[in-house]
Amino acid sequence: NAGVTQTPKFQVLKTGQSMTLQCAQDMNHNSMYWYRQDPGMGLRLIYYSASEGTTDKGEVPNGYNVSRLNKREFSLRLESAAPSQTSVYFCASRGNYGYTFGSGTRLTVV
Amino acid sequence: GQQLNQSPQSMFIQEGEDVSMNCTSSSIFNTWLWYKQDPGEGPVLLIALYKAGELTSNGRLTAQFGITRKDSFLNISASIPSDVGIYFCAGTLGGSNYKLTFGKGTLLTVNP
Repeated sequence: NAGVTQTPKFQVLKTGQSMTLQCAQDMNHNSMYWYRQDPGMGLRLIYYSASEGTTDKGEVPNGYNVSRLNKREFSLRLESAAPSQTSVYFCASRGNYGYTFGSGTRLTVV
Repeated sequence: GQQLNQSPQSMFIQEGEDVSMNCTSSSIFNTWLWYKQDPGEGPVLLIALYKAGELTSNGRLTAQFGITRKDSFLNISASIPSDVGIYFCAGTLGGSNYKLTFGKGTLLTVNP
C-alpha cells in the first residue's frame, strides 16, 4: 500500500546513545516532515524538507539532525539521546491533499 | 510562533449524540485541516478547508473555515463508538514550505 513507512516502531535508548529514525514515502511527494508528539502538546515540527536537497528547522530542532537522502527518504538522527527526547515521532509527506503520516516511532530514553 | 487553541481538551459523550469542537488562532491561516488519530497510529486527514467561510462535509462530519480566517470548527453528528480518538485541527499559510501548526487535540470518548 502506498504511504509513509517509519522504522523502527519502538525503541529504547540509554541517555547518550545515538540512533537514526528512518522514514520513506512512495507517493513521489516533494516535501517531508518530522514531528514529535507529547501528551497534551499536540504535534510539534522538528525539521522539514521542502524538496530533495533542502532541510530547514522547525519549532523544536535542538538535539536533532536530519538528512534528506533522496526524494523518498528523510531520516532523523539523535546524536546523544536525552530523557527529554522521549516521545512519539511522526514522519509525514505532503501531497495535493495534505499530509500523509506514518504510524510513528515510540522512543523511550532512560 | 503561531499558536492554535483547541477546545475542549476532552469530551465524554453517549453514542448518538452530536459533538462540536473548535480551534482559534492568534493569526490568520489560508488553509485549515482536521485530522483524527487512532491509538498507535498517525493522524489521518478528515477534512480540508481552503477558503474563508467554506463549509465542508464528509459523511457525518462537517467543518467550517471561519470568516476571519482565525478559527474553524468540526461537528460530528450521531456519534458512534468508532469515532473515539484524538481530533486535531491544523492550519497553514501554504506556500512552498507548507508547514502545519497543530492544535493540542481533543480526546473524544463515546460511550456505547
